Parts: sequence; C-alpha cells; structure tokens
Amino acid sequence: LAKTTQPISMDSYEGQEVNITCSHNNIATNDYITWYQQFPSQGPRFIIQGYKTKVTNEVASLFIPADRKSSTLSLPRVSLSDTAVYYCLVNPGGYQKVTFGIGTKLQVIP
Amino acid sequence: DTGVSQDPRHKITKRGQNVTFRCDPISEHNRLYWYRQTLGQGPEFLTYFQNEAQLEKSRLLSDRFSAERPKGSFSTLEIQRTEQGDSAMYLCASSFTGPMNTEAFFGQGTRLTVV
Repeated sequence: LAKTTQPISMDSYEGQEVNITCSHNNIATNDYITWYQQFPSQGPRFIIQGYKTKVTNEVASLFIPADRKSSTLSLPRVSLSDTAVYYCLVNPGGYQKVTFGIGTKLQVIP
Repeated sequence: DTGVSQDPRHKITKRGQNVTFRCDPISEHNRLYWYRQTLGQGPEFLTYFQNEAQLEKSRLLSDRFSAERPKGSFSTLEIQRTEQGDSAMYLCASSFTGPMNTEAFFGQGTRLTVV
C-alpha cells in the first residue's frame, strides 16, 4: 500500500485559505486519494476524494497533479471550528482498508 | 438513518477480562470496517467485512481479537484476555459498494481502558 507523508502540524489565522500537501510517491493505478477530518474523541469525517486533476465540493478542493505523486487539500477561509487533524489516505478503489498516518494537526488562530 | 452507531461509548475492564463491542452500520452499507486508534496516532485498520464475509484481517490483529457480522448487519468485535496495550479507541466504519470509490462513514468509537 502506498505510504503518505504530510506535515505534522500547521497554524493558520481565521479567514485564511489553508493548503495541506500530502506526498504519496508509490501510488498505484487503482488508488484513490481521500482526505478525512477528525475532532478529538470523534470518528474521522470524510472531506473529499479524488483520482486526478481537481475536485471541489462545498467544504474543500483537492488538487492532484498529473503524476499523482502528491495532492493538496485546500480549505477556503478557515474558521476556528476547522481546528482538527486532517488525514490523507491512498486507498485502493472502493476500499477503506488502510491504516491512517499521523495526520496534520491544523490549529486555527483567531 | 442516524449514521454508524457504536456501543458502548466507554468501557473500563480489568486485565484478563473479555470485552465485546457492537457496531450498527448505516443500513444500506454492505462494507464494514474496524479500526483501532491510540493517542496521537491515526486509525489503524483491523479488519473488514463485505456483507457477512470477513474478507481481510490485519497482520496486527492478534488471535485474541475476533469479529463477526452475522447476516451482514451489525458487527461485534471481541477481545479476549484483555491486556493494558489493548487500551485504545475502537472505531467502526461502513461504506457502500458502488461503481465509484465511496467514502466511509465512521461511528463515534468505543474507548476501552484496561486497568
């Protein structure tokens, strides 16, 4: 399974755009890239998923270059409630049978 | 549907005792996953079911752990002869098999403390 590398922590001021980049050099052809958000004492919550190029939903955008060896989660205009741990996963199509990494702890500052 | 439900939310047990956790997935979801999460780490995959069939188990899952999903509905995770190292949050997730990759929905977890 492809291993992912992402920053351990990030700080951002409220209202700013936050970009979190994840490296996955060994991604396989049938792998998807999925991002989850987790608050303390809660289960992870799906944010966005993509295979290539750009995906956008109501909460985030996901940018994936052509070689798919990295991806960037973009959170527009973060608020204090976006303070959480964000996990990047590379998972075989249709399956979530992967172990999450340590994730990126995002701290939003007022 | 209220999402993935796990019971109990918290469990304190003495070392050596057996414990069982229950997960009720979203009703139309045919895939169910169990994870374990310790402090400061991301969730670690343990096992998954497609309907009632347990299709994969992590190499990290010791013989003391067993999971079932009778009739492809709810699932149970049992830990026999608990050890202090089993203390963790146990998470359940479910997903639906569709033509495209689909997201997994997680429950709130069961926090196990072995004393």
